[in-house]
Amino acid sequence: DVKVTQSSRYLVKRTGEKVFLECVQDMDHENMFWYRQDPGLGLRLIYFSYDVKMKEKGDIPEGYSVSREKKERFSLILESASTNQTSMYLCASSPQAGGRTDTQYFGPGTRLTVL
Amino acid sequence: GENVEQHPSTLSVQEGDSAVIKCTYSDSASNYFPWYKQELGKRPQLIIDIRSNVGEKKDQRIAVTLNKTAKHFSLHITETQPEDSAVYFCAASTNDYKLSFGAGTTVTVRA
Repeated sequence: DVKVTQSSRYLVKRTGEKVFLECVQDMDHENMFWYRQDPGLGLRLIYFSYDVKMKEKGDIPEGYSVSREKKERFSLILESASTNQTSMYLCASSPQAGGRTDTQYFGPGTRLTVL
Repeated sequence: GENVEQHPSTLSVQEGDSAVIKCTYSDSASNYFPWYKQELGKRPQLIIDIRSNVGEKKDQRIAVTLNKTAKHFSLHITETQPEDSAVYFCAASTNDYKLSFGAGTTVTVRA
């Protein structure tokens, strides 16, 4: 059974703080993703990684950075948190499946509030 | 990039009736179309997917149809039950591992 875990379920931070969200998967998946989920907007891709130390910008990368030093771990960093980054953050992983897009497995999410 | 539109945004059905959610996509190169279900407070989970070499796929009470010419695909849930109440997301992808999601449909099944 695929397990994707995230470091926190709920997080409250102050404007200007540096925030780290961590994601770990135990299925040896090559691909990992960070999304934010806002009502009426669906899931929007922030960053994507297809290999260790590799990253690719998604649709809304501004204000975020990522780090992937190990295959199983993908971190999302908010360098200076702002109130408009208050959201639900979801991590996901997927196998590369012979070059085809395949099922993404999601973590439980982190509800971040920036005050 | 890919743009996926999903309708309706909310859907209320009587238990036992059918529910249909429709999505359109913009990139004709898209070839993978999954549907995710997210129950309240839970993570999204894949319920069914279809690839572009297939026109329809069924799994018990749920089915997905794909019309590549019109660039739209639909989720059909028959004999709805209270546990079908959730938010449903459609998505589309080319062979780049990434998914573009629709905005979601909140389905409520009335007892």
